[in-house]
Amino acid sequence: DSGVTQTPKHLITATGQRVTLRCSPRSGDLSVYWYQQSLDQGLQFLIQYYNGEERAKGNILERFSAQQFPDLHSELNLSSLELGDSALYFCASSFQGNSYNEQFFGPGTRLTVL
Amino acid sequence: AQKVTQAQTEISVVEKEDVTLDCVYETRDTTYYLFWYKQPPSGELVFLIRRNSFDEQNEISGRYSWNFQKSTSSFNFTITASQVVDSAVYFCALSEGEQGAQKLVFGQGTRLTINP
Repeated sequence: DSGVTQTPKHLITATGQRVTLRCSPRSGDLSVYWYQQSLDQGLQFLIQYYNGEERAKGNILERFSAQQFPDLHSELNLSSLELGDSALYFCASSFQGNSYNEQFFGPGTRLTVL
Repeated sequence: AQKVTQAQTEISVVEKEDVTLDCVYETRDTTYYLFWYKQPPSGELVFLIRRNSFDEQNEISGRYSWNFQKSTSSFNFTITASQVVDSAVYFCALSEGEQGAQKLVFGQGTRLTINP
């Protein structure tokens, strides 16, 4: 158990809908990361937050947004969902947010868009 | 752009065999970090090792060892005397980002199956 929690574990929804994925980092970690894992794209970095501020951005679609709250938990919002958004979404955390930090991953949220 | 290539999509061996997973990376940075993660069937990614670009010493941890060669831009992972519990997808990753920021660039992963 990495100490990173993600809810829900599974999510099934329809095209065009909006969903929110939630992540709580390990105790003491200030940085949170979101990744998408799909069969065709592999593991892709989406976005990083450090202590409430956005620090790095990857190939995150404009339909997707995230934030980190004062208690350090983070939410990833996915809107206008398409079939291709079906994937496993991971949250990870690290103590700081530097390039040498190891990231600890949560169990993931499996999103299925029908 | 930074890139990680794991050319072996799938490997299947019999228990107790040694197996090496290859990882080749591309970067223009002089300072960078390399990682290996394991994704067992349960799905969670588990951190295995981190190596910085200035430290080319090989590392051994039990049955696991890592060979970092800057000259060939490779960071290979060997499992000695493999066991069924080693069956998983293994990812090599490269860290890019300035101070205070980090983006992990992952390879496509190698699915390792250890048969009894």
